[in-house]
Amino acid sequence: TQLLEQSPQFLSIQEGENLTVYCNSSSVFSSLQWYRQEPGEGPVLLVTVVTGGEVKKLKRLTFQFGDARKDSSLHITAAQPGDTGLYLCAGGRLYGGATNKLIFGTGTLLAVQP
Amino acid sequence: DAGVIQSPRHEVTEMGQEVTLRCKPISGHDYLFWYRQTMMRGLELLIYFNNNVPIDDSGMPEDRFSAKMPNASFSTLKIQPSEPRDSAVYFCASSWGTSGAGPTGELFFGEGSRLTVL
Repeated sequence: TQLLEQSPQFLSIQEGENLTVYCNSSSVFSSLQWYRQEPGEGPVLLVTVVTGGEVKKLKRLTFQFGDARKDSSLHITAAQPGDTGLYLCAGGRLYGGATNKLIFGTGTLLAVQP
Repeated sequence: DAGVIQSPRHEVTEMGQEVTLRCKPISGHDYLFWYRQTMMRGLELLIYFNNNVPIDDSGMPEDRFSAKMPNASFSTLKIQPSEPRDSAVYFCASSWGTSGAGPTGELFFGEGSRLTVL
């Protein structure tokens, strides 16, 4: 059962365009992370949000956690070819009161054409 | 500092053969995770360990899969016998334990082991 649905699945845009990727769930998460994965490599953490309504900016990337902590969005301004990759959201749940067991989303494959 | 190290990077084997994937987590991390990534199912958690003890193996597909962590610096994921549907990229990840009011749970992934079962 996939708990986190991302949209769109694929996105091909021109350099300089803006885009938004969405991550939606019917479940509440204690935290939400976004990772980027490049071909032949493992995912790398971009950001973690933990408070409903929280907005974080990382240069041209803006991340938002929904008020109800069930959804999140990633907005990229003026995309560059270096932004190309697979973007994964991951919802964190406390498990046994201890570790943060991450559930990964379905992924959005972004291609930015020069 | 070295990141998570996985081996082999690529493995091609025939159906029925035993496959062993290896992982060395980042020193000092007390959680280790095994994930499997496919186009159809995305990134799935198979099993994770805390201080070398398996905590949750509910994602392990079936009895053909087993994982061990004999010490803090080494883990294996074994498939015996392997089947074509096991073809995927297997990732190992490690992290610090979470504590306090706001768990972050950042995972540090290895580069993955691409398994092809013919």
